[in-house]
Amino acid sequence: GNSVTQMEGPVTLSEEAFLTINCTYTATGYPSLFWYVQYPGEGLQLLLKATKADDKGSNKGFEATYRKETTSFHLEKGSVQVSDSAVYFCALRNSGNTPLVFGKGTRLSVIA
Amino acid sequence: GAVVSQHPSRVICKSGTSVKIECRSLDFQATTMFWYRQFPKKSLMLMATSNEGSKATYEQGVEKDKFLINHASLTLSTLTVTSAHPEDSSFYICSATDDRTDTDTQYFGPGTRLTVL
Repeated sequence: GNSVTQMEGPVTLSEEAFLTINCTYTATGYPSLFWYVQYPGEGLQLLLKATKADDKGSNKGFEATYRKETTSFHLEKGSVQVSDSAVYFCALRNSGNTPLVFGKGTRLSVIA
Repeated sequence: GAVVSQHPSRVICKSGTSVKIECRSLDFQATTMFWYRQFPKKSLMLMATSNEGSKATYEQGVEKDKFLINHASLTLSTLTVTSAHPEDSSFYICSATDDRTDTDTQYFGPGTRLTVL
């Protein structure tokens, strides 16, 4: 079945540090890949997505590239801010109106 | 972007009572909505897929008689936790896709925190 594995947290970084959160997946077919973010006390928000191999999703300085050969969708940001502190979820979804399959989430804390 | 609301945002109830949680798509229609449960410091667990006008599809291990789902219209799905017990305390989240545009993206509600005493 489909599954998503992302790096365990928590991750603590200083402001302006480089961020990488690893995500790999197992899926049948050609899923779409997503990163969702959950800020403290809020619901999940879509951060970025990619729908086919070699696509790069980007938003708010975050990027992730759909790598079919390594079945990965690692999240990166060149310079994190305190306001980026949140829990980040990697997820996949097969084509059609099917539910998302989530990774366990990675908590990021950015300190000034 | 599309907005999904949930009501209530928090509820505290006594053991044995039933609690209804509403999930609404505010500016779009959603034939399908999903209900998730999130445990502290854990990922989201899909509970069921709610289809407008038909019965919900429950994931393995989720009691359909315990968690009643009704999707009466294209903008409203409800989850009723019947005879709630302390172990039902959790964060319940719904999501929906916009049928008319991007069916690839799910929009999430802000969640409902249920505490059963």
